[in-house]
Amino acid sequence: NAGVTQTPKFRILKIGQSMTLQCTQDMNHNYMYWYRQDPGMGLKLIYYSVGAGITDKGEVPNGYNVSRSTTEDFPLRLELAAPSQTSVYFCASSYSRDTNKQFFGPGTRLTVL
Amino acid sequence: AQSVTQLDSHVSVSEGTPVLLRCNYSSSYSPSLFWYVQHPNKGLQLLLKYTSAATLVKGINGFEAEFKKSETSFHLTKPSAHMSDAAEYFCVVFFSSYNTDKLIFGTGTRLQVFP
Repeated sequence: NAGVTQTPKFRILKIGQSMTLQCTQDMNHNYMYWYRQDPGMGLKLIYYSVGAGITDKGEVPNGYNVSRSTTEDFPLRLELAAPSQTSVYFCASSYSRDTNKQFFGPGTRLTVL
Repeated sequence: AQSVTQLDSHVSVSEGTPVLLRCNYSSSYSPSLFWYVQHPNKGLQLLLKYTSAATLVKGINGFEAEFKKSETSFHLTKPSAHMSDAAEYFCVVFFSSYNTDKLIFGTGTRLQVFP
């Protein structure tokens, strides 16, 4: 039982490049979330999903896309990387709406130059 | 080692009465501390943060928290509870070093507000 895993751990992108941040959980959780954390700031919700095939925008969705084809995977896509997307990205999952304790992945540190 | 302890798993108050949600932390470094709220079926929302500036931090929706280094505490308060405050609250420590970034969450406190 690995919990929530994220890859890569670090990445440097050039402006305009694209990439996918991977997130996988093996706890059979229905709910999954993507957050970003900027230096000195709190978490901001990018997108979330309440089950396979269902996604919804969070607080800061612009510049990102997600998909949820399986319960386990919730990848986050950056199509045209911008310096404003330099941040640490955390993926999280939780079991249901009645159990809102989220399990977090280790984070992906992304730098866009 | 860094850790966060939320002292109450459940807190119940009447509408209009004060709210106190307790949080103690342990950190070898100067911590960044946060309080988040989560309403049912939603993601986390930031209430307030402490990042070594003023020790009394004001957040959204009338909440505030005081960083007390001598007590290693960061308790969340609100003078008058509202029904819409019913949710789960998380105290979080964040630290960043050259090769790792880590969030440490407390176990959460569920706030119930009665009419």
